[in-house]
Amino acid sequence: GENVEQHPSTLSVQEGDSAVIKCTYSDSASNYFPWYKQELGKGPQLIIDIRSNVGEKKDQRIAVTLNKTAKHFSLHITETQPEDSAVYFCAASPSNTGNQFYFGTGTSLTVIP
Amino acid sequence: NAGVTQTPKFRVLKTGQSMTLLCAQDMNHEYMYWYRQDPGMGLRLIHYSVGEGTTAKGEVPDGYNVSRLKKQNFLLGLESAAPSQTSVYFCASRPLANEQFFGPGTRLTVL
Repeated sequence: GENVEQHPSTLSVQEGDSAVIKCTYSDSASNYFPWYKQELGKGPQLIIDIRSNVGEKKDQRIAVTLNKTAKHFSLHITETQPEDSAVYFCAASPSNTGNQFYFGTGTSLTVIP
Repeated sequence: NAGVTQTPKFRVLKTGQSMTLLCAQDMNHEYMYWYRQDPGMGLRLIHYSVGEGTTAKGEVPDGYNVSRLKKQNFLLGLESAAPSQTSVYFCASRPLANEQFFGPGTRLTVL
């Protein structure tokens, strides 16, 4: 099955700086890559996603890039704010399973005011 | 809309006891999922359903059973709880498009 690795496990940045979280996947059949934000005591919430026919997607301060050849994708948060502090998860969904999602192990982001 | 709700929010069991976790969604989604979340391991899929009356195994199905008798409900059962099943359990649902909507979680402790 698919194997998703996520780095780093913890990340601290100063408010206003950028944060980058990287994930790799193993199954070339994966074609959908969502990113989730999880605040303490809550369920994960989708913040951005990208499909395999697109190399980059941006939504205000958040962007995701995908390199299918290298099988890696990254989350970029610019102008970080204290409310960005949370745990972030990447995931991959192979087209041949159709319905399953494989998650990375999470990155705990702390934005220091 | 309430979205995805989970019952109960917390539960403590003794080894060998059984229980059922209930997930309900009011968005008319076809797909529903049960995940467990353990420290340092992200979310792992236990079972999922692609529609009413269907279920399928995920990555870590052993020790769990599920049922989807109604489209809006997805039940996760533990027949004989073990300490290794101490975890936070999340339910999710999604329509035919890809976005998953997660519930608030159930924290289960097995002593």
